Amino acid sequence: NFMLTQPHSVSESPGKTVTISCTRSSGSIADNYVQWYQQRPGSSPTTVIYEDNQRPSGVPDRFSGSIDSSSNSASLTISGLKTEDEADYYCQSYGSSIWVFGGGTKLTVL
Amino acid sequence: LLLQESGPGLVKPSETLSLTCSVSGGSISSNSYYWGWIRQPPGKGLEWIGSIYYSGNTYYNPSLKSRVTISVDTSKNQFSLKLNSVTAADTAVYYCARHVGVATIDYWGQGTLVTVSS
Repeated sequence: NFMLTQPHSVSESPGKTVTISCTRSSGSIADNYVQWYQQRPGSSPTTVIYEDNQRPSGVPDRFSGSIDSSSNSASLTISGLKTEDEADYYCQSYGSSIWVFGGGTKLTVL
Repeated sequence: LLLQESGPGLVKPSETLSLTCSVSGGSISSNSYYWGWIRQPPGKGLEWIGSIYYSGNTYYNPSLKSRVTISVDTSKNQFSLKLNSVTAADTAVYYCARHVGVATIDYWGQGTLVTVSS
């Protein structure tokens, strides 16, 4: 089994760019797609990135995803931060017949 | 597509938690999707519980596998979760969801809070 490790929290100012990392503990990050979900308080999660770097319709292009095999990690980058981006973000991937979520990162936009 | 969880909001310790997810606006028998359960304890992160393919193939979180059963009823367009021998640590919001293949979760239910308490 593998784990996905995210920073507990990040903060940045409106208009700036923030990157949230997600490191896979074993197996290659490139072996299976990584997804990113946004969860606002009291709401169900929604997808902001799927299949490493694809944006669902309706998600602004300020959101982008990438993977880096050298660090065995995935990243979610949000540019032009808005106060509405303040939320919890979770990475998720799959391997050996199990789905795994990262621990989540609280993004504060202040 | 709409997914709606239903079931008791309060379960006693050592008993079995049972939830059903009703799917509307699409068929649970589609061969492109898996149907899963995810939970979130209050103030904590998401935890995948398990998933099922419409054919009945199941996949469980190894940490919960001994206590979990997920089943599907294609005639009712529903799938269900049973978690036995619950403790206070099983108190959480339980979500049902649809996976696109083994990749993204594209639809989530609204979630239902289940509290384990005597």
